[in-house]
Amino acid sequence: NAGVTQTPKFRVLKTGQSMTLLCAQDMNHEYMYWYRQDPGMGLRLIHYSVGEGITAKGEVPDGYNVSRLKKQNFLLGLESAAPSQTSVYFCASSYSVPPYGYTFGSGTRLTVV
Amino acid sequence: GENVEQHPSTLSVQEGDSAVIKCTYSDSASNYFPWYKQELGKRPQLIIDIRSNVGEKKDQRIAVTLNKTAKHFSLHITETQPEDSAVYFCAASTPGGGSYIPTFGRGTSLIVHP
Repeated sequence: NAGVTQTPKFRVLKTGQSMTLLCAQDMNHEYMYWYRQDPGMGLRLIHYSVGEGITAKGEVPDGYNVSRLKKQNFLLGLESAAPSQTSVYFCASSYSVPPYGYTFGSGTRLTVV
Repeated sequence: GENVEQHPSTLSVQEGDSAVIKCTYSDSASNYFPWYKQELGKRPQLIIDIRSNVGEKKDQRIAVTLNKTAKHFSLHITETQPEDSAVYFCAASTPGGGSYIPTFGRGTSLIVHP
């Protein structure tokens, strides 16, 4: 039982490049989330999904897109990376209602130069 | 939307002391309050949670209390140990459109000195 797996773990991008972060969970969770974590800012929600093919914007969605074609996978895309997107990205998943705690992935450290 | 304030931002204690971290929330409809521990370089992990129909919950050395009237909840760690050193995040989940997306506090860095 792997839980929540994120790939890659580290990445360096040049400004303007694109990339996709992959999150996979094997717990049959309905909900999946993408957060970014910056020093002193806590965890800020980028996008989330409440089911296959259903996504919604979070607190800081600009510059990111997501897709959930399969229940177990949630992809985060950066179309044109900017230095402001340098951060640690965490994926998480949970059961739906009633609310339950999250299981987080191990994170992706992204640097945009 | 929900707003969660977490205090203090940094807490330094001696091994064996107790530590208390407090969070306040703004939306009285919030009904689920988890706490996460994040060790340096690691992922956040759920350590304890409480629902709005309960006032207190304990798990060995950690406990969480909830005061719905005052809209605050607290994490209590007794007999602290160096391995308790980490950043702790609180969160509050509010029902909205059938989903319960939580709002996180900004975190408390707990340092336990041996």
